[in-house]
Amino acid sequence: AQRVTQPEKLLSVFKGAPVELKCNYSYSGSPELFWYVQYSRQRLQLLLRHISRESIKGFTADLNKGETSFHLKKPFAQEEDSAMYYCALKIGGNTPLVFGKGTRLSVIA
Amino acid sequence: KAGVTQTPRYLIKTRGQQVTLSCSPISGHRSVSWYQQTPGQGLQFLFEYFSETQRNKGNFPGRFSGRQFSNSRSEMNVSTLELGDSALYLCASSPQGTYNEQFFGPGTRLTVL
Repeated sequence: AQRVTQPEKLLSVFKGAPVELKCNYSYSGSPELFWYVQYSRQRLQLLLRHISRESIKGFTADLNKGETSFHLKKPFAQEEDSAMYYCALKIGGNTPLVFGKGTRLSVIA
Repeated sequence: KAGVTQTPRYLIKTRGQQVTLSCSPISGHRSVSWYQQTPGQGLQFLFEYFSETQRNKGNFPGRFSGRQFSNSRSEMNVSTLELGDSALYLCASSPQGTYNEQFFGPGTRLTVL
């Protein structure tokens, strides 16, 4: 079965420091990868998807099929980036999203 | 457009009871998915409905069931509640299916005593 692993439950960084949230997946084919974010007292929402190849709120993520990874990066963390981040995978078509257990990012002023 | 709404927002039940949760998708969205969110397991997929038909099902016991109405509103039912069913239940809607972006509701917090 497909699996998404986010090895860090909590990641604390200082404001202005680079951020990298790790995501590894297990699937031998070509998956679709997503990052979802949940800010305090807000709904879970899509941050970015790998097929879009875009930067959202300064965040980027590159799919590395060799390492089966989809790490989320931002060069300079902001306090408003503090949130819960979930990596998710789907194997195509109308298959369900498989989520990792999430990483809580805390940006310290 | 109004977002996904879920009712009730909070619910307290006792073991053995049953519960029904409701989800109203964004207008025009035909796909509704349900997820269970717990601190230990994270987000786990329960099922997806599209045009009143269950299209995908997660690995949950038969006590968990759902349905979708012709107006795309969906309900999920949990019978014979167990303590481990305490969780945040999230509903997400999308225009056609899971290959579209999913828009999540605020969730229903279920506590089983």
